[in-house]
Amino acid sequence: DVKVTQSSRYLVKRTGEKVFLECVQDMDHENMFWYRQDPGLGLRLIYFSYDVKMKEKGDIPEGYSVSREKKERFSLILESASTNQTSMYLCASGPSWEAGTYEQYFGPGTRLTVT
Amino acid sequence: QKEVEQNSGPLSVPEGAIASLNCTYSDRGSQSFFWYRQYSGKSPELIMSIYSNGDKEDGRFTAQLNKASQYVSLLIRDSQPSDSATYLCAVRYNFNKFYFGSGTKLNVKP
Repeated sequence: DVKVTQSSRYLVKRTGEKVFLECVQDMDHENMFWYRQDPGLGLRLIYFSYDVKMKEKGDIPEGYSVSREKKERFSLILESASTNQTSMYLCASGPSWEAGTYEQYFGPGTRLTVT
Repeated sequence: QKEVEQNSGPLSVPEGAIASLNCTYSDRGSQSFFWYRQYSGKSPELIMSIYSNGDKEDGRFTAQLNKASQYVSLLIRDSQPSDSATYLCAVRYNFNKFYFGSGTKLNVKP
């Protein structure tokens, strides 16, 4: 089974803090993703990475950055947390698209509250 | 922004019935389609993927894709109370763009 883990289930931070969310997958997947999920808005892609040190912006990258130094680990960084970044953050991983499959497997999520 | 539309529900069906969940998408360039199940407080779990027109069956689940009409559906046969969850439709557009609907909440009544 694919296993995607996230460093925290719940996190409370103050406005202006720098926040790190960590994600680790154990399936040797090339692709990794960060989403946020908000009621009524569905899941929205923040960033994704298709290889080590490679990244692409999703639909809502503003206020976020990412790091992928190792294949199994993908970090989301909130440079200066704001209250509108209070959300559920979901990490996902998936195999290389060269195989013609595009499934994504999600971690348990981190519920971040910014006060 | 590519749109993926789902009826938010709740959709209520009795135990043993067929649940039918629908999803429409806005862009004809969409190439891959996915159904995820999400229990309250949990993360999405992949149920099925479908890439070509027609039906794809996996156990009690059948995904149906009609690219000409731009809709994808999920049928759940012999619905069980444990199927009660929110079902998310996801669409891949172009190389690396994935869009999710807001989900349909399904209630299966014993």
